[in-house]
Amino acid sequence: AQKITQTQPGMFVQEKEAVTLDCTYDTSDQSYGLFWYKQPSSGEMIFLIYQGSYDEQNATEGRYSLNFQKARKSANLVISASQLGDSAMYFCAMREGPGYSGGGADGLTFGKGTHLIIQP
Amino acid sequence: TAGITQAPTSQILAAGRSMTLRCTQDMRHNAMYWYRQDLGLGLRLIHYSNTAGTTGKGEVPDGYSVSRANTDDFPLTLASAVPSQTSVYFCASSADRAGTGELFFGEGSRLTVL
Repeated sequence: AQKITQTQPGMFVQEKEAVTLDCTYDTSDQSYGLFWYKQPSSGEMIFLIYQGSYDEQNATEGRYSLNFQKARKSANLVISASQLGDSAMYFCAMREGPGYSGGGADGLTFGKGTHLIIQP
Repeated sequence: TAGITQAPTSQILAAGRSMTLRCTQDMRHNAMYWYRQDLGLGLRLIHYSNTAGTTGKGEVPDGYSVSRANTDDFPLTLASAVPSQTSVYFCASSADRAGTGELFFGEGSRLTVL
């Protein structure tokens, strides 16, 4: 079974609209972390936002927020007021185990990504 | 701030030849990783190292080897390249004993095996 599932291979969104990128995860660990990365066409991996499994509040970073629904094992990324520069690949990822172990022996497990295109 | 430096940026390699992708970090992170990225498959972990002197296998280790002689360097070697190893390779690191386990990535190395 996949540990990280991103069900939207591609999305087209009008500029200034809000965007929700779906991510569900599978783990039996009680302590874990969820991440979103952005990969623009230039290819670099840009860290966007993090949610710990014990965090009670949804994480927010500027226009990015993470809609964390623990019981459903979902960690959707919400981008408010989308901009043309938001066009990119977006990856959801999970770290199993506590963060102090330096990312864990297995690092992060990534989903297959969602290709987001913002249209003017 | 350099962060993670990968070399080469891109390379075309004949099948059967060997190749080493270099990765150097200046953040003194203990943990380092090699991922490969393929269209439709996301990023998959090849090998990792939690600290200098130790390495481990990830999800797709076959055909690859790594070494970790010191904290800063984590080279990835393809002993005898095959076309299925055509991919974009990312080196990454993470800090331990602090924070989230966020990965810091290099710029990537695009390898084409013909």
